[in-house]
Amino acid sequence: AQSVTQPDIHITVSEGASLELRCNYSYGATPYLFWYVQSPGQGLQLLLKYFSGDTLVQGIKGFEAEFKRSQSSFNLRKPSVHWSDAAEYFCAVGGGNTDKLIFGTGTRLQVFP
Amino acid sequence: NAGVMQNPRHLVRRRGQEARLRCSPVKGHSHVYWYRQLPEEGLKFMVYLQKENIIDESGMPKERFSAEFPKEGPSILRIQQVVRGDSAAYFCASSPLGGLEQYFGPGTRLTVT
Repeated sequence: AQSVTQPDIHITVSEGASLELRCNYSYGATPYLFWYVQSPGQGLQLLLKYFSGDTLVQGIKGFEAEFKRSQSSFNLRKPSVHWSDAAEYFCAVGGGNTDKLIFGTGTRLQVFP
Repeated sequence: NAGVMQNPRHLVRRRGQEARLRCSPVKGHSHVYWYRQLPEEGLKFMVYLQKENIIDESGMPKERFSAEFPKEGPSILRIQQVVRGDSAAYFCASSPLGGLEQYFGPGTRLTVT
């Protein structure tokens, strides 16, 4: 079955601390991987994507993610979190002969000053 | 450049009424995707359309739901005889040539009373 698992429903960090959000996937074809951020009442904004090549990808707002094929993971990281990073983060996978994205259930990030 | 536009942003319907959700893709994009986000869940693919064609409707409920993307005008997601379980956020995404790089709109939040 094709699926995305985000094991952490809710994470709380202090401003300035480092952050890692976990994402594991199960997919039958070569996976194309995405991280999106959703602020309250807003749509989804693409943070970064991995299609091929260098397994460490840089995104917007200082985020990066590392694709690890052996672990079927695509974890999102940021070295120093800002209060404005508080939002919900979704990992998604797609690829093969379909254009539909499969999303995880999201991780809600709370940032304390 | 305008992004993906969705209207209305909020829609309240009583059980049994019809709901019409509109999506105007990014200018020049001819591929539209609809996703549904139930409370506390990730987004779930519903349907993929090109102008005047339904490409993949594997995520659409078999009854009461329909979608179109006419040659002129926005894409419409139509839900007939709404029930409380239809309450959700409905997101539209577009892409220029199909594929997985999809740009999301702000969503329509449907509440069925």
